[in-house]
Amino acid sequence: LAKTTQPISMDSYEGQEVNITCSHNNIATNDYITWYQQFPSQGPRFIIQGYKTKVTNEVASLFIPADRKSSTLSLPRVSLSDTAVYYCLVGDTQAAGNKLTFGGGTRVLVKP
Amino acid sequence: ETGVTQSPTHLIKTRGQQVTLRCSSQSGHNTVSWYQQALGQGPQFIFQYYREEENGRGNFPPRFSGLQFPNYSSELNVNALELDDSALYLCASSQLAGGRNEQFFGPGTRLTVL
Repeated sequence: LAKTTQPISMDSYEGQEVNITCSHNNIATNDYITWYQQFPSQGPRFIIQGYKTKVTNEVASLFIPADRKSSTLSLPRVSLSDTAVYYCLVGDTQAAGNKLTFGGGTRVLVKP
Repeated sequence: ETGVTQSPTHLIKTRGQQVTLRCSSQSGHNTVSWYQQALGQGPQFIFQYYREEENGRGNFPPRFSGLQFPNYSSELNVNALELDDSALYLCASSQLAGGRNEQFFGPGTRLTVL
């Protein structure tokens, strides 16, 4: 499984855009890139998933360069409620076991 | 909310005891996975059950075992509890059918081993 590296923490202010970059140099051909969000004392929640280029949904955008060795999660105009830990995961969604391999995540603190 | 429920919410046990944690999957899902999350760390995969059979296992000893029932609910059993077993135990359900790897997590059970 491809290992991921992401910053331990990031601070931001309400209304700003937050960009979290994840490195995954050993990503395999069949691997997808998935981001989860976790609030304290809750289970992780799926945010977005992509394979290449750009994916956008109602809460975030995911930018993946052509070499796929990194990806950037973009959270537009964050609010205090976006304070959470964000995990970047890389894996083959078709593989037996379908397990998710979480790293340490990035702790995002949104300040007023 | 995801529709995945877990019980109990909190649990305190002592070393050497046994514990059973329960999970009800989201409606329509045939797969349940269990994760252990120590304080300040990301969740670690324990094992997964698909249609009542174990379908993958992480790096956990045999004293961690599980069951999945015909209604796709699940149990995680841990024998001979150790202090390091203190953690948040998360259950996640999904529909194993390829495509998007989206798992829906429950709120977790906080286990404290004294």
